[in-house]
Amino acid sequence: EAGVAQSPRYKIIEKRQSVAFWCNPISGHATLYWYQQILGQGPKLLIQFQNNGVVDDSQLPKDRFSAERLKGVDSTLKIQPAKLEDSAVYLCASSLGTRSSYNEQFFGPGTRLTVL
Amino acid sequence: AQSVTQPDIHITVSEGASLELRCNYSYGATPYLFWYVQSPGQGLQLLLKYFSGDTLVQGIKGFEAEFKRSQSSFNLRKPSVHWSDAAEYFCAVGEYGNKLVFGAGTILRVKS
Repeated sequence: EAGVAQSPRYKIIEKRQSVAFWCNPISGHATLYWYQQILGQGPKLLIQFQNNGVVDDSQLPKDRFSAERLKGVDSTLKIQPAKLEDSAVYLCASSLGTRSSYNEQFFGPGTRLTVL
Repeated sequence: AQSVTQPDIHITVSEGASLELRCNYSYGATPYLFWYVQSPGQGLQLLLKYFSGDTLVQGIKGFEAEFKRSQSSFNLRKPSVHWSDAAEYFCAVGEYGNKLVFGAGTILRVKS
């Protein structure tokens, strides 16, 4: 079974530029998550999708971050314009998403963003 | 709000020695608890989880963890560490809606 795919793996941009990350979840997983992991910290949830609807985006800086999950499969996370403090690893995860029990989240390898 | 504390930022152990990584959580109800491992350049891999039942849970790679409600702890243990165990370890608590709240992580170094 293929895991969660993310691209690119690394990205270096200058502040005020825009950047986009792509995630392809495990086939059949209804729930998709984007996490931000700043160096020295644990991952922090940015946004959670159930199919193509947003479940929780309370910690997403909406003035500069946006995310979409068209057709309930792939997802993109965009930052525009980027700030120095956005330098982090962006992790995508997916889970089955049924409501009957807690479902394990499977993580992709992440995209390491450096903002200069 | 739920929170997870991992008191040790770095831990160094000798290969073959035993290991214990500490985790304390703050959660109002019975928690779902997890330990993940992250090797450099890799995503997070689930080591083990506690939902209910036996408070000593076994995971992959020879790891185990014990849930102690009275101490709000979920410490990770391994009786004999291998060099390949060097990585960063994250404790997490599951929130309603299948969300995870992570601790800051503990970096494990293994010396030969």
